[in-house]
Amino acid sequence: EADIYQTPRYLVIGTGKKITLECSQTMGHDKMYWYQQDPGMELHLIHYSYGVNSTEKGDLSSESTVSRIRTEHFPLTLESARPSHTSQYLCASTINEKLFFGSGTQLSVL
Amino acid sequence: SQQGEEDPQALSIQEGENATMNCSYKTSINNLQWYRQNSGRGLVHLILIRSNEREKHSGRLRVTLDTSKKSSSLLITASRAADTASYFCATARYGGATNKLIFGTGTLLAVQP
Repeated sequence: EADIYQTPRYLVIGTGKKITLECSQTMGHDKMYWYQQDPGMELHLIHYSYGVNSTEKGDLSSESTVSRIRTEHFPLTLESARPSHTSQYLCASTINEKLFFGSGTQLSVL
Repeated sequence: SQQGEEDPQALSIQEGENATMNCSYKTSINNLQWYRQNSGRGLVHLILIRSNEREKHSGRLRVTLDTSKKSSSLLITASRAADTASYFCATARYGGATNKLIFGTGTLLAVQP
């Protein structure tokens, strides 16, 4: 089991709310990633980080933002959630080439 | 557009049979990886094959890579009900300054007991 944790596991909220999805890893990995995945579909990279104070946007445009103040922590924030943000959000980290994934957050915006 | 496309989209077999999944990609790669995802969970790394390798084994898994055809296959031998999951290939682009994996569309495997 990889030591990478995501909370909450499930989140159902109303439109317009601000939310933060948490991701933490205890492996000391420098590189961390956020992927978005709709049911039965491929993963799309939305954000990544190569270390503290490093954040970059991924291949899929997203209204979310991320921060990397500490190596182990890579939270994702949506300032104003909308139904179009409903999806599964997966956090991952790596120190070489293999990704270690958290269990994901299933977000539903009503 | 996605880098990898997998075929078939879904596969249903009986326990004990072999399962073969294929992945095609578009650009030159550094390595190709296969991941497994149980329903509603994160992905788990299975195996990595580098661009200069043609075949790799890990337990009941066998992966092949044909860079001339830009394709890879994953073979699971003697399948078990517990192998039921979605399987994704992911490619690391050659020469990229970033360490980003691009995932394929996935194959949903159902192994009937």
